[in-house]
Amino acid sequence: KAGVTQTPRYLIKTRGQQVTLSCSPISGHRSVSWYQQTPGQGLQFLFEYFSETQRNKGNFPGRFSGRQFSNSRSEMNVSTLELGDSALYLCASSPRDLLVEKLFFGSGTQLSVL
Amino acid sequence: AQTVTQSQPEMSVQEAETVTLSCTYDTSESDYYLFWYKQPPSRQMTLVIRQEAYKQQNATENRFSVNFQKAAKSFSLKISDSQLGDAAMYFCAYRSVGGGSEKLVFGKGTKLTVNP
Repeated sequence: KAGVTQTPRYLIKTRGQQVTLSCSPISGHRSVSWYQQTPGQGLQFLFEYFSETQRNKGNFPGRFSGRQFSNSRSEMNVSTLELGDSALYLCASSPRDLLVEKLFFGSGTQLSVL
Repeated sequence: AQTVTQSQPEMSVQEAETVTLSCTYDTSESDYYLFWYKQPPSRQMTLVIRQEAYKQQNATENRFSVNFQKAAKSFSLKISDSQLGDAAMYFCAYRSVGGGSEKLVFGKGTKLTVNP
């Protein structure tokens, strides 16, 4: 079974641009969650989707948004990029409920904002 | 809001020895889950071990075990017979149960070095 796939692996953008990151969960998994990882703030929860519905959202500004498609693939969008958005963005999937199932993580997208 | 604190930014251990990574958390809830995740240089995070707060018995997974002290809000990870492949960042995480706010809260991590 293929693991969680995140594309692209690396991305370089400039301030003010917008970016879309993609996450394909493990086949059959319906829950997808996103995390931002930076040296200063560590790992922070962005949002979680289950069956195309956003179930939980972290404390991030409205510039950060996401969605999940009917095939469970998920995208995360960041508009009006700021230097502080430079981070590793991790996606994770689980079969049903994020609470009781173990998470399977992708290798992340490293975003650099210049 | 729940917080998770890992007081050891870095730890080192000799191969085949035992090491304990510390984690404390702050919550007013009585039911929750605690996790230890491992992130090697490849960036691929994997679950090491999980503990349910209502279970008094400490979780174990092969060479990995936890010391869960609910009253002290402490959740340490013990790695026995350390191996070179154990070298990684280790993150402690907390997740509440119900209430509509079940997001995962991580500590800042502990970088573990295993010396041959």
